[in-house]
Order: sequence, then C-alpha cells, then structure tokens
Amino acid sequence: AQRVTQPEKLLSVFKGAPVELKCNYSYSGSPELFWYVQYSRQRLQLLLRHISRESIKGFTADLNKGETSFHLKKPFAQEEDSAMYYCALVGSGGYNKLIFGAGTRLAVHP
Amino acid sequence: DAGITQSPRHKVTETGTPVTLRCHQTENHRYMYWYRQDPGHGLRLIHYSYGVKDTDKGEVSDGYSVSRSKTEDFLLTLESATSSQTSVYFCAIRGTGDEQYFGPGTRLTVT
Repeated sequence: AQRVTQPEKLLSVFKGAPVELKCNYSYSGSPELFWYVQYSRQRLQLLLRHISRESIKGFTADLNKGETSFHLKKPFAQEEDSAMYYCALVGSGGYNKLIFGAGTRLAVHP
Repeated sequence: DAGITQSPRHKVTETGTPVTLRCHQTENHRYMYWYRQDPGHGLRLIHYSYGVKDTDKGEVSDGYSVSRSKTEDFLLTLESATSSQTSVYFCAIRGTGDEQYFGPGTRLTVT
C-alpha cells in the first residue's frame, strides 16, 4: 500500500535550534515527494519538491530511497517557522493524486 | 495563489441538508481536486477531475458528488450532510509539473 507516515504530531524547539521533521513513505518504484506548509488557518503552500533539490526559507529535504525517507531539515529555526508541515507523495495510477501524511506541527519558542 | 478561490469560506448547516461548495480557478488548469482536512488524518482526496465532465472518486468519496461543467469551476456537493462531514475542505489544481496549488479552504460545520 502507498502511504506517507509523519511520526511526530508535534515538534517543539527553541529559536536557533536545528529542526528535523520526519517523513517516511511506502511506494513501489521511484517516488515523487513534496513538503507543504500551512500557517495558521491559511492555505497549504508548496515548500519543497524533491526533484528540484532546492532550498526554500532555509529548509532542505533529501530523498533517501534506502530508508524510504524524505526528512525536512533546517539548521536554525525561527519563530516564523511555526506552522503545520505536511509530507505528500504522488500516488500511482495517474492523475497526479497526492497522498498526504497526517502532518507535524512545528512550534518554535523564543 | 494560482488564481484559486473557494466559496463559501465558512458555512454552518444542519444534518440532512444539501450543501454545495464551489472552487473557481482563473488559469485554465485541466486537473482539479477536492480534499478534506481533519486532525490526525492530514488531507484526504475526495474527488478529482481531469477535464470538463471528467471526474472520478478519491479515497473518501462516500456521501459526496462533484460536477465540472466548465473548466474554471469544480463543485463539491454533500447530498445530505452528516456531522462526520464537518471538516475543512480544500480545492487544488495541478501546476505545470506534478505539484498542486491549493485554495484558501472552506470551513464546514454540520450541526
């Protein structure tokens, strides 16, 4: 079965600390993965896509096929990073349907 | 915001009443999606569309129907709302790659 697992419901850190939001996936073949961010009561925004290997707002994510992981990292958390983060996988069967993890709430304290 | 709007933004309705949510896009995207967002579940796909009058079911389609009579509008209908359909509903479109862009959401409460 295709699945995305985000094991932490809440990650609480202090400003300036490193952050790692975990994402594990189950998929046969080459996965296509995304990270989305949702600030309080706003729409989801695309943060990263694995194929572009870009860094947005200081966040990076590396696909590890051996560990079936796509963890999101930032070396120094800022208070404005506080938000809900979702990992998503493009499912098989066409039509670009996304499978989301349950999400992790990141709380950055001053 | 990829030109996506949703209406209404908030709605309170009673159990058993029909409800229609509208998603409108201005950039002629072919693929459109409806998701519901619930704590502990993330977002789950309800229905999707790959063209005018071309729609199909997603993971949690029971109790929902959709229609797409023109490219820019994708309607989600709850034929007879139940309390389990209290949720935040997001519409999305497919971008130029495989990414999706989301609307602002509709917060629906069924009493």
